[in-house]
Amino acid sequence: DIVMNQSPDSLAVSLGERATINCKSSQSVLNRSNNKDYLVWYQQKPGQPPKVLIHSASTRESGVPDRFSGGGSGTDFTLTISSLQAEDVAVYYCQQYYVTPCTFGQGTKVEIK
Amino acid sequence: QVQLVQSGAEVKKPGASVKVSCRASGHTFSTDHLHWVRQAPGQGLEWMGIISPKSGSTSYAHKLQGRVILTRDPSTSTVYMELSSLRSEDTAVYFCAREAVRGLYYFDYWGQGTLVTVSS
Repeated sequence: DIVMNQSPDSLAVSLGERATINCKSSQSVLNRSNNKDYLVWYQQKPGQPPKVLIHSASTRESGVPDRFSGGGSGTDFTLTISSLQAEDVAVYYCQQYYVTPCTFGQGTKVEIK
Repeated sequence: QVQLVQSGAEVKKPGASVKVSCRASGHTFSTDHLHWVRQAPGQGLEWMGIISPKSGSTSYAHKLQGRVILTRDPSTSTVYMELSSLRSEDTAVYFCAREAVRGLYYFDYWGQGTLVTVSS
């Protein structure tokens, strides 16, 4: 199975400041046939199911604020919140869907400093 | 609007089985693959398996092979997840989720989750 490792485990950022979460996969999740990275980011708030923010490593889902952006390729990825808002307090997960079983990172908890 | 509505919380004893339902609406039930993902308390997410509502074909996480069965009832647009030989480590919130793009195992709609507690 592909192991997904996120860092840091938790992050405290001031309102309006940038938050960056890293995700590293144990093997590449790049599909060379279409040059797409099979990596998705979710946001999960307490008591709720995850919500997809970004797929294909960098494609924002419809309705997701543009302060959320994804980057990286191959084995190293980032999720950036450019200007943290109060409603962004949540746990963020990366997940690869290149290989079955799909696997998730352990999560990064984002809080307000 | 796609909706996945799951059955209520369950408390089971070790060794017992549990069956959780997930009723789909707002989309074509027969065309969208549905998955099950679980989340132990305070822990991360674990993929359990997939079912094709049209054909009933399934695939399971290796770790759960032999203990999990996914089924569906097209007449009620409902899929079911049954987990047997329950252990304390099966205590988790169980989610059904819709595959966002056919063949790509990421999920755009999720059920609200069903807490299964395994305790003697």
